[in-house]
Amino acid sequence: AQTVTQSQPEMSVQEAETVTLSCTYDTSESNYYLFWYKQPPSRQMILVIRQEAYKQQNATENRFSVNFQKAAKSFSLKISDSQLGDTAMYFCAFWSGTYKYIFGTGTRLKVLA
Amino acid sequence: GAVVSQHPSWVICKSGTSVKIECRSLDFQATTMFWYRQFPKQSLMLMATSNEGSKATYEQGVEKDKFLINHASLTLSTLTVTSAHPEDSSFYICSAKMGDYQPQHFGDGTRLSIL
Repeated sequence: AQTVTQSQPEMSVQEAETVTLSCTYDTSESNYYLFWYKQPPSRQMILVIRQEAYKQQNATENRFSVNFQKAAKSFSLKISDSQLGDTAMYFCAFWSGTYKYIFGTGTRLKVLA
Repeated sequence: GAVVSQHPSWVICKSGTSVKIECRSLDFQATTMFWYRQFPKQSLMLMATSNEGSKATYEQGVEKDKFLINHASLTLSTLTVTSAHPEDSSFYICSAKMGDYQPQHFGDGTRLSIL
């Protein structure tokens, strides 16, 4: 069975600084998808970034980038130039391409002014 | 594109009443819709998966008679919490996808409070 682990329940970062959120997963699949979702206080689930396992190149979206280490089954999210609006819960999710997503327990990120 | 609308966003009702939550895919046809429940400061817990025109598949531990799911069309799924009680108070989120190997798109959620 697939599992997703986010080992950092809470983190904080100063505005304009860089922070990295960690995520590890376990699977026997060779091809799959990994996601980072942001859930601000409004509780919308906002897709931040997506990575396909067959792609070696790390995904980037503006200030958000990932460090995808397939052999180590690691998928960390780096947020550069942190902004107050980045304050939210961040969930890592695994998807084999069929059936359901497997979510991590989340990391609560607080950006400090 | 790929917008999912969920309604209502917040509902408060008395214990014993039934509450219906709608999930609509506005600009695509959703072959599969998902219903999640989220407790405060916790992750999303999948309740059930519904495919258009067929019965929903419930996750272990979810009462199908309590949480009725109907996916009558390719753009609408409903979740009815029957005879709701205070312990059913929670945040419910739906998601929808267009087909196999397509990612899920999430609605904005419904905050349900049972008095």
